Amino acid sequence: AQSVTQLGSHVSVSEGALVLLRCNYSSSVPPYLFWYVQYPNQGLQLLLKYTSAATLVKGINGFEAEFKKSETSFHLTKPSAHMSDAAEYFCAVSGGSNYKLTFGKGTLLTVNP
Amino acid sequence: NAGVTQTPKFQVLKTGQSMTLQCAQDMNHNSMYWYRQDPGMGLRLIYYSASEGTTDKGEVPNGYNVSRLNKREFSLRLESAAPSQTSVYFCASTQQGANYGYTFGSGTRLTVV
Repeated sequence: AQSVTQLGSHVSVSEGALVLLRCNYSSSVPPYLFWYVQYPNQGLQLLLKYTSAATLVKGINGFEAEFKKSETSFHLTKPSAHMSDAAEYFCAVSGGSNYKLTFGKGTLLTVNP
Repeated sequence: NAGVTQTPKFQVLKTGQSMTLQCAQDMNHNSMYWYRQDPGMGLRLIYYSASEGTTDKGEVPNGYNVSRLNKREFSLRLESAAPSQTSVYFCASTQQGANYGYTFGSGTRLTVV
């Protein structure tokens, strides 16, 4: 069984500040981990994924995430927030049979001017 | 490059009415999924089809049925809609492999009154 916990349902940052969105996972098998972004009234778009090739993963729009097995974490970061980053972000884990993704509850990112 | 197409985009039903949500993908993916998204709940898996000819229940299957019509199409049916089924429904697909991640449709916003 797998699960994902996203710490903080709402994160607010100033434009230009560091973005840190937290994700911890639980998995009984080696996990594949994903971050998705959802802009208002749209579907989910893949930001980045960890598939065991490298622990530091770079994604689109300047985001990156680091897989830390000892901490069972996969936190998402961006050095400098932009207004266009305002969206909801979902962490997800896969690794069980039939490639099902289990999602966290999401973190809404607000960027203040 | 349409990806995953969902129809309709919006629907209002009366309690007890039935309807079918349609989903089609043009990426030759093997696996398809239906999720519902509710505020503060993230995405929850309703049903999935690991390959053509197979379907299985997810986390919240009650009140729904599915049909994998062919490799491209995967429909979700509400036989007797209830207000608790008011939600945004997303269809997704992936190639058979846990590290691919999903491609999502743009969603169907359903309101049951």
